[in-house]
Amino acid sequence: DAGITQSPRHKVTETGTPVTLRCHQTENHRYMYWYRQDPGHGLRLIHYSYGVKDTDKGEVSDGYSVSRSKTEDFLLTLESATSSQTSVYFCAIRRGASSTDTQYFGPGTRLTVL
Amino acid sequence: AQKVTQAQTEISVVEKEDVTLDCVYETRDTTYYLFWYKQPPSGELVFLIRRNSFDEQNEISGRYSWNFQKSTSSFNFTITASQVVDSAVYFCALSEANQAGTALIFGKGTTLSVSS
Repeated sequence: DAGITQSPRHKVTETGTPVTLRCHQTENHRYMYWYRQDPGHGLRLIHYSYGVKDTDKGEVSDGYSVSRSKTEDFLLTLESATSSQTSVYFCAIRRGASSTDTQYFGPGTRLTVL
Repeated sequence: AQKVTQAQTEISVVEKEDVTLDCVYETRDTTYYLFWYKQPPSGELVFLIRRNSFDEQNEISGRYSWNFQKSTSSFNFTITASQVVDSAVYFCALSEANQAGTALIFGKGTTLSVSS
C-alpha cells in the first residue's frame, strides 16, 4: 500500500463542465504524476509535479491543468470537459530520491463525460 | 524516441500452463529502467519488478521470472504453472534516467486470461 488515495473514484459529468480530480499521498514524496489509461493506449502521462508549485507537462497535457499547493495533494483539473477525456485517471508517486525509482499508483478515477 | 511494444494483445491459457509475455523497448539512453506492472480485473496497478540497464541477470520470484536481453532490447516475463489469479492485464514500462520528470513509458498491455 503506497498511501495514495484518489477522489472521486467515479464521476459522470457533462461536456463543458469543469472537473477536478484529487490525489492525496501520506508519505511526503516529492514527485507525483497524473496518467490516463485508454483502451489500446496503455497509460500516458498528463502532467507531473516535482515539488510544491512545481509542475510540468506530459505527453497528453492539452485540456488539463494541475496544481500542487501542498506536498500531499496534487489536483488535476479539466477546465471544460470533453467526451475525449472520458478515461481512467491514475495518480502515481515516485518513491525514492533517484530519478528512476519505482512509481506506485493510486486506485484510479473513472471519469465519464457525456 | 523511446517506445515500448507489447505485441501480444491477448493471451489465453489453461491453468498450469507456462506463459511468456513479450516486451520490446526502444531507447537511446544508456541508463534506463524497465518495469512490469499487473492490473487485475479490480483495476489497480500493482508493481512487479524494476530492472536497470546494467543488470542483465535473470530474476525469479516464485512462479514469476524475467529475462532481460539488451542485445534484442527485450524484457520478457514468464509465469510458470499459471493460475486463474494470474488473469490480468500486464504492462511493461520504460524509464530513462535523462528524461525530465522520468515519466514511465508504457506498452499497450497484454491481457492474460487463465481458465481452469
